[in-house]
Amino acid sequence: SQQGEEDPQALSIQEGENATMNCSYKTSINNLQWYRQNSGRGLVHLILIRSNEREKHSGRLRVTLDTSKKSSSLLITASRAADTASYFCATDTGRRALTFGSGTRLQVQP
Amino acid sequence: NAGVTQTPKFQVLKTGQSMTLQCAQDMNHEYMSWYRQDPGMGLRLIHYSVGAGITDQGEVPNGYNVSRSTTEDFPLRLLSAAPSQTSVYFCASSVSGLFYEQYFGPGTRLTVT
Repeated sequence: SQQGEEDPQALSIQEGENATMNCSYKTSINNLQWYRQNSGRGLVHLILIRSNEREKHSGRLRVTLDTSKKSSSLLITASRAADTASYFCATDTGRRALTFGSGTRLQVQP
Repeated sequence: NAGVTQTPKFQVLKTGQSMTLQCAQDMNHEYMSWYRQDPGMGLRLIHYSVGAGITDQGEVPNGYNVSRSTTEDFPLRLLSAAPSQTSVYFCASSVSGLFYEQYFGPGTRLTVT
């Protein structure tokens, strides 16, 4: 089973609204990362949050991490049509490399 | 910098054929990885390398082979293609390590008939 599981699987919002997606994981981590994938493209790193951090910001992105609940959330504020993409969380609990979830598909309607 | 480049973008193979997916990076990254992405699933690690001359198996290595003769290049070989290898393949590199920020290539979409 996937270490990181994103929720919801799909999300559709209007431009200007906020988008929140969640990631749950099963075992302890040192860091958790979020990536974006536009249709037909490779993944792009968005943000890394370490296990001793609770919140991190990058532009319109806010990531929170709750290690007691083994969960993280990614908030995109004031969303734009260009934010339409799939978003993946990745944890460092794999034996050899990052373990990716199956992603949240975000559709931002103009 | 071109970043991570992959060729070809698309490929169709018949069952039993072999081919090599090319991956190159110009960022002098020591760490490189190959992942496959199947519909509705996250990326799964095939093989990885922590430097020139050093490779190791990932989560789903069967049917694939890799080598790392230079820092820049990390080709993935399909030995005898099977329909189960139909997937999108991504190469990634990192300066910090396999558990840190990864730079991904644009992917190769492979169909095996």
